[in-house]
Amino acid sequence: GAGVSQTPSNKVTEKGKYVELRCDPISGHTALYWYRQSLGQGPEFLIYFQGTGAADDSGLPNDRFFAVRPEGSVSTLKIQRTERGDSAVYLCASSLYGSYNSPLHFGNGTRLTVT
Amino acid sequence: QQQVKQSPQSLIVQKGGISIINCAYENTAFDYFPWYQQFPGKGPALLIAIRPDVSEKKEGRFTISFNKSAKQFSLHIMDSQPGDSATYFCAASKVPVSRLTFGEGTQLTVNP
Repeated sequence: GAGVSQTPSNKVTEKGKYVELRCDPISGHTALYWYRQSLGQGPEFLIYFQGTGAADDSGLPNDRFFAVRPEGSVSTLKIQRTERGDSAVYLCASSLYGSYNSPLHFGNGTRLTVT
Repeated sequence: QQQVKQSPQSLIVQKGGISIINCAYENTAFDYFPWYQQFPGKGPALLIAIRPDVSEKKEGRFTISFNKSAKQFSLHIMDSQPGDSATYFCAASKVPVSRLTFGEGTQLTVNP
């Protein structure tokens, strides 16, 4: 079956540019999560959606980062005025609700490189 | 209070051996403890998970041991195989899961 799909798989951008990263969750999954993984580190929480609303955005590092999920399915992570420190793999995950019996399913990520 | 500390950072075992990875957490409100396996270029995939009302959970060659009083849990991989070579992450969360807190990861290499 179809898993979590993230596009693009790789994105190279120049410092100061704007980027959008897309996540297509598993069909029917109401919960959607964005994480950031730097080289050699564990994933770091960014934001969690339950349906259309951002239930917890406390992991977003600053106001250059923003995410939307307007119809409760596809989500877009938006990064303004990119900095070299934003270079990382951005992972998206989804789950049926977030219950114990509905684990997080991760996509393969978007590798963002800011030059 | 949100940290999860994982050790060792890297581990090399021989085929057929036992791989043991340890994690410790601080937040006593956590009540969901999954382990994820990640191959290069792929996202993490759930391997096995435990809740604190049990002390051990086994699925095939993978076992989680949980010590609530010590706030520690570990992953044991029995009969380790070269195909198990990957990075393993422990994590912790409250339920319902709004945010997983991950450990730093353990790079496991199983030599043939």
